[in-house]
Amino acid sequence: QSILTQPPSVSGAPGQNVTISCTGHTSNIGANYAVHWYRQFPGTAPKLLIYGNTNRPSGVPDRFSGSKSGTSASLTITGLQADDEADFYCQSYDSSLSGWVFGGGTKLTVL
Amino acid sequence: QVQLVQSGAEVKTPGASVKVSCKTSGLSFNVYNIHWVRQAPGQGLVWMGWINPNTGATHYAFKFLGRVSMTRDTSIQSIYLELSGLRSDDTGVYFCSRGTDYGDFDHWGQGTLVNVSS
Repeated sequence: QSILTQPPSVSGAPGQNVTISCTGHTSNIGANYAVHWYRQFPGTAPKLLIYGNTNRPSGVPDRFSGSKSGTSASLTITGLQADDEADFYCQSYDSSLSGWVFGGGTKLTVL
Repeated sequence: QVQLVQSGAEVKTPGASVKVSCKTSGLSFNVYNIHWVRQAPGQGLVWMGWINPNTGATHYAFKFLGRVSMTRDTSIQSIYLELSGLRSDDTGVYFCSRGTDYGDFDHWGQGTLVNVSS
């Protein structure tokens, strides 16, 4: 069981918007530690998608956006495309564990 | 260009140890911590710990304490992960990644599959 909770799966049709939630605790997200998001295609390494709650690394389309409020964070993908299908993970730092924690991952299916 | 290139797949028997390498280039080796992350088959990501390439300081996740060791060779800008007392549930892909000041991991190795089987 992961410290950060994500829905196991989300889906949407091409062109639609989807949001993936990441629920934490007062020892991680709620303690004002930054939330980061990664996308992982099967058989490959995760790739940074959002850092510092809302920032996109160079090359990441603005269809991907992050937000954070209280003990939760969200990743929103607008204008879904077929090749967006992947697994998405949130990540933060946890003070009670003195280490980094990941969400359990969310599988995005484009219908 | 930042690159982290890991060693090849390993097959180990229960109780054995494994050492995985992560050769870095283009990333100011001594500046950023290098983290290790494990992914069991079909499962999520689990943080294992970090090493500071400059000082050699380490910090391990509670889950792996006593079994994990992270070291470095500054002469060849390489980081090593050693895991001992292997069990079948240690089977998975092990990734090295660079940590940044924001706390994210911005560059990743390609992963090393470790298969623990009798």
